[in-house]
Amino acid sequence: QVQLVQSGAEVKRPGASVKVSCKTSGYTFSDYDITWVRQAPGQGLEWMGWMSPISDNANYAQKFQGRVTMTKSASMRTAYMEVTGLRSDDAAIYYCALSYRTSSGYNPLTYWGQGTPVSVSS
Amino acid sequence: DIQMTQSPSTLFASIGDTVSINCRASQSVSDWVAWFQQKPGKVPKLLIYRASSLEGGIPSRFGGSGFGTDFTLTINSLQPEDFATYYCQQYSFYSGTFGEGTKVEIK
Repeated sequence: QVQLVQSGAEVKRPGASVKVSCKTSGYTFSDYDITWVRQAPGQGLEWMGWMSPISDNANYAQKFQGRVTMTKSASMRTAYMEVTGLRSDDAAIYYCALSYRTSSGYNPLTYWGQGTPVSVSS
Repeated sequence: DIQMTQSPSTLFASIGDTVSINCRASQSVSDWVAWFQQKPGKVPKLLIYRASSLEGGIPSRFGGSGFGTDFTLTINSLQPEDFATYYCQQYSFYSGTFGEGTKVEIK
């Protein structure tokens, strides 16, 4: 079955960077796009960006452009999401999620990782 | 970025009630809208996609409707396990804005 296993909790200082990983299994890696979503404590879901599994194509939410980079290693079946210049309001649970790729249309987020808590504190 | 405005933010209901949650997009997103349920400490769960298609394994008391900019999630005969927070999401143009969420609480 499809599984997404994310890296463990992180504690960072303001201004630092964090890189979260999402190791996938149970499906053909090229069949699903990868999206990152975050959720601040007690807050709603926030879409951060999307990445293709077969190319360098990515699309970031406007507020994250320039500060977030999404990458992947197809050989390792792992996606990565790095946030630089961390601020206190970046403290959140970061999720990776998959949507099935089709040539005709878009698909919803069907599988989710367990989430990676990131704390930002001086 | 496309904005999704969800209402109400909180909804009080009783077991057996029918409830509706609304979502409005800032521009047309066709029917590229999904609805998720999230319980405290849990990962979001897909309920509805393409505005009205029920995800496999989801009870038929959940239903979705809408096209263009206005969308609705309806839960018929509310059950104890349905008390949770619900989010709409548009997923067009390789973007994916979420609504602010609606918490369904026991009256």
